[in-house]
Amino acid sequence: NAGVMQNPRHLVRRRGQEARLRCSPMKGHSHVYWYRQLPEEGLKFMVYLQKENIIDESGMPKERFSAEFPKEGPSILRIQQVVRGDSAAYFCASSSSPGLASNEQFFGPGTRLTVL
Amino acid sequence: AQRVTQPEKLLSVFKGAPVELKCNYSYSGSPELFWYVQYSRQRLQLLLRHISRESIKGFTADLNKGETSFHLKKPFAQEEDSAMYYCALSGGRYNFNKFYFGSGTKLNVKP
Repeated sequence: NAGVMQNPRHLVRRRGQEARLRCSPMKGHSHVYWYRQLPEEGLKFMVYLQKENIIDESGMPKERFSAEFPKEGPSILRIQQVVRGDSAAYFCASSSSPGLASNEQFFGPGTRLTVL
Repeated sequence: AQRVTQPEKLLSVFKGAPVELKCNYSYSGSPELFWYVQYSRQRLQLLLRHISRESIKGFTADLNKGETSFHLKKPFAQEEDSAMYYCALSGGRYNFNKFYFGSGTKLNVKP
């Protein structure tokens, strides 16, 4: 089991471009979470998705950010018209079940986004 | 509001010395507390959780509801313990999907 995969590991974009970050959860996991880590700060929750459903997007900025987790394929975090303040490390995590007994999230290596 | 505070950005100790990484939280319900660790060039991984009440790699953490703390302790630090440590909180039984992370403490164990 390769664990949670994220790609690309590093992404450079110019202001105004779109950034697409991909996350493939661990095999058998159907719950995906996205976190953002700004420099010198902790990870901040962005969104929680199950297959084809957004369960909790309370941490997502209201504009330019969107996420999906289609029936087939990886979860995608999309940032439109990127600005310098979007530069951060974006982490994806997955879990098999959010139930109390197995509430562990497994993390990917992260994607480091740099906006020029 | 939910918050996790790790007051120390960097903690340096000598090998064999005791270590305590501090974590304080604020949460209105019954949270679950976790410690995650990130070794150099590796991904974030779960170290321990308060409901397990277990010791992992010699580390323990006790949830103190009165002081709203979940400090991570180890009596004798080893060089291989050098890493970034993150305290995290999830919203307990009814809101367990959303994790709140502290800003992390870098532990440096010197030989």
